Amino acid sequence: SQKIEQNSEALNIQEGKTATLTCNYTNYSPAYLQWYRQDPGRGPVFLLLIRENEKEKRKERLKVTFDTTLKQSLFHITASQPADSATYLCALGESSSASKIIFGSGTRLSIRP
Amino acid sequence: EAGVTQFPSHSVIEKGQTVTLRCDPISGHDNLYWYRRVMGKEIKFLLHFVKESKQDESGMPNNRFLAERTGGTYSTLKVQPAELEDSGVYFCASSQIGRIETQYFGPGTRLLVL
Repeated sequence: SQKIEQNSEALNIQEGKTATLTCNYTNYSPAYLQWYRQDPGRGPVFLLLIRENEKEKRKERLKVTFDTTLKQSLFHITASQPADSATYLCALGESSSASKIIFGSGTRLSIRP
Repeated sequence: EAGVTQFPSHSVIEKGQTVTLRCDPISGHDNLYWYRRVMGKEIKFLLHFVKESKQDESGMPNNRFLAERTGGTYSTLKVQPAELEDSGVYFCASSQIGRIETQYFGPGTRLLVL
């Protein structure tokens, strides 16, 4: 069956360290993969998109990798801050023209001062 | 620029009643999407409008759900009659034409069916 798996347990990181979140998928061939941030009571906010032919993308303190052989994406936040505490969602698109984005269940990240 | 707005923010209704959710997309966004997250599950796609036309409604759970986007501006999602399993958070998103990948989400409507 098709599924997207993220760390089900919350991740607790000391401020200043690098947080690494994992997203694994099964029985999908995504054209792209995305990471979103979601705060309590809010909608998902788009952070980064990486395409199937890309290995790595960076944006400020964020870095995403995409390994289509392992069927895995890693999301890194360097120099983490308490303000980075949120739930992070992995999502994929099966093609650039497909309507829907398919979400994982998310990983809750807490950065302690 | 205003983001995607949704109304109401919360709704509590009894089983068998009707509820209508509204979404106002970002101005100029022809693509509009509905998603929902039921308790303990991931966010799932419901349907996609391009202007006033339904492009993909493969995620609509059953015929108790009716989505409309008359005039290609705001959209409504009606649930009639509501069932207990319809409880969850309903998100709307919008994107520019040709930019399906970059969807901007609203804050969601939290629906509780008792």
